[in-house]
Amino acid sequence: NAGVTQTPKFQVLKTGQSMTLQCAQDMNHNSMYWYRQDPGMGLRLIYYSASEGTTDKGEVPNGYNVSRLNKREFSLRLESAAPSQTSVYFCASSVGLAGGETQYFGPGTRLLVL
Amino acid sequence: DAKTTQPPSMDCAEGRAANLPCNHSTISGNEYVYWYRQIHSQGPQYIIHGLKNNETNEMASLIITEDRKSSTLILPHATLRDTAVYYCIARVVALTFGSGTRLQVQP
Repeated sequence: NAGVTQTPKFQVLKTGQSMTLQCAQDMNHNSMYWYRQDPGMGLRLIYYSASEGTTDKGEVPNGYNVSRLNKREFSLRLESAAPSQTSVYFCASSVGLAGGETQYFGPGTRLLVL
Repeated sequence: DAKTTQPPSMDCAEGRAANLPCNHSTISGNEYVYWYRQIHSQGPQYIIHGLKNNETNEMASLIITEDRKSSTLILPHATLRDTAVYYCIARVVALTFGSGTRLQVQP
């Protein structure tokens, strides 16, 4: 089992460019999440998907869109990148949304917007 | 999700137990206490979680006070590889990460 995988590992964008961050999990989990982590800070939730076909906003959704492509894959899109979106992006998954269900994280995508 | 408070940093001697405290005085009855750690800039690693009872696994023990307003994560024999930022989270749905405790294990 690879667990949660993310691509790319690193990306440099210019302001205004668009890109999609990919996330996939092979644990047959129903719920998936996107977080961002700014330097020296904790993680903040951007969007999550309780199950295939559903998505909901988290704490910091502005400037992002998501797609739950199927049960395995959950992508995050930046339509017009801004320097404020320079961050490390982590994807996570869990069996379900309930409080007792553990979230497992991917290795992260490091994004620099110039 | 309830707000948690942790000391910003702690030191621990290698081979000794590391006891990391967390205050979550506003926790509600259905919120679990989770502990994760993050080594360098890797993805957060799950350690342990609990609701009311104390819990133990191969990595650590979690002690939750009877009133559930605070908890302690115990790493029984800290090693240099346990140097990391440790996050205590009170969770219903999504995880809300604070600033965590930076644990430095000294040789």
